[in-house]
Amino acid sequence: EIVLTQSPDFQSVTPKEKVTITCRASQSIGSSLHWYQQKPDQSPKLLIKYASQSFSGVPSRFSGSGSGTDFTLTINSLEAEDAAMYYCHQSSSLPFTFGPGTKVDIK
Amino acid sequence: QVQLQQSGPGLVKPSQTLSLTCAISGDSVSSNSAAWSWIRQSPSRGLEWLGRTYYRSQWYNDYAVSLKSRITINPDTSKNQFSLQLDSVTPDDTALYYCARQREGSFDYWGQGTLVTVSS
Repeated sequence: EIVLTQSPDFQSVTPKEKVTITCRASQSIGSSLHWYQQKPDQSPKLLIKYASQSFSGVPSRFSGSGSGTDFTLTINSLEAEDAAMYYCHQSSSLPFTFGPGTKVDIK
Repeated sequence: QVQLQQSGPGLVKPSQTLSLTCAISGDSVSSNSAAWSWIRQSPSRGLEWLGRTYYRSQWYNDYAVSLKSRITINPDTSKNQFSLQLDSVTPDDTALYYCARQREGSFDYWGQGTLVTVSS
């Protein structure tokens, strides 16, 4: 099973600041890494697929990069509505797995 | 627009079977380019993929190894939905359960979630 780790666990950020979240895979997964946002009492929402492709309707301030074992989600110019949990997910091999999440809080 | 609508009981007794259904609109359970998964979320396990069903000229299923002896995911083409059955549940199966569509690797649409509590 491929294990995904995320850092940091928690980040408190001022609006308009840049946020960087990393996801590391226990073995190479190519670009088969996806990012989700989950707000309280809501289902997760897809932000980025295949490491760097934005999902339809996602604001352009969200971007992703990386390949192999190291990946990054960047939120440029954070807005108050971006307070949420962020999860990475790998679809390279079964079983599909998720990272433990990163909580982004607004100062 | 794809929508997934979940239904099923929120309380299940220990040793009984958990049963949930996910009704699909805006796509087909028989789609050749999608797979239909169940995922659960709990404080102890985080997000955990449970299994999926998909059609590629015939029906296929994949299940998480830890649940393989207890889980069944079935498509229902007549109602355009799919279901989850989890046998012999214990309190450890208490979680928020989601259905989701998988296309091009990612889970692009999710159901609203169903909180299932296992308790007598």
